[in-house]
Amino acid sequence: QVQLVQSGAEVKKPGASVKVSCKASGYTFTSYGISWVRQAPGQGLEWMGWISAYNGNTNYAQKLQGRVTMTTDTSTSTAYMELRSLRSDDTAVYYCARSEPGPLDYWGQGTLVTVSS
Amino acid sequence: QSALTQPASVSGSPGQSIAISCTGTSSDIGGYNYVSWYQQLPGKAPKLMVYDVSNRPSGISDRFSGSKSGNTASLTISGLQAEDEGDYYCTSFRSSGTRYVFGTGTTVTVL
Repeated sequence: QVQLVQSGAEVKKPGASVKVSCKASGYTFTSYGISWVRQAPGQGLEWMGWISAYNGNTNYAQKLQGRVTMTTDTSTSTAYMELRSLRSDDTAVYYCARSEPGPLDYWGQGTLVTVSS
Repeated sequence: QSALTQPASVSGSPGQSIAISCTGTSSDIGGYNYVSWYQQLPGKAPKLMVYDVSNRPSGISDRFSGSKSGNTASLTISGLQAEDEGDYYCTSFRSSGTRYVFGTGTTVTVL
């Protein structure tokens, strides 16, 4: 069965960076991409970007360009999302999801990132 | 890069049908058949309910159906059940800028 297991909760200070991992299992990792979506407390979903696990091509949301980097490690079937220069409004639950891109058909459990001084 | 517009809330009685709208532009919903719908139950990750406007993933009840007309997509839930309560989000591919955009979200309440 397809599973995406994310790393644990993080607490960071403003200006710091965070790197969230997403380990995939149950399918051929390089046949799909991984999208990242975040959800601030009590708010809606926000698409952050997508990476192809086949060739590493990426597409990032405009508002995050320059602050976000998505990578994959095909040897461990793991995707990573790094967000730099953290601000308080980056506090959110971060989700990874399998996608081609297009439909996000399997989701990780979410990782809470709290940015606080 | 504004979000797609959804009603904040929709409600219905058990057994009724409800529809959730998702309005965009010709650069997203109106231009492509890449609309998906997600259900998010409290404290849970979202779940794909409909993709490519009207297709259901395996295991999703046929009570959920999707459609599109012009720049507006809709998700219809028929035979409403208590377990359908939660938040619903649409998403669409967009031709420029941020490539995928979510809707503002709709809370479904079963009366």
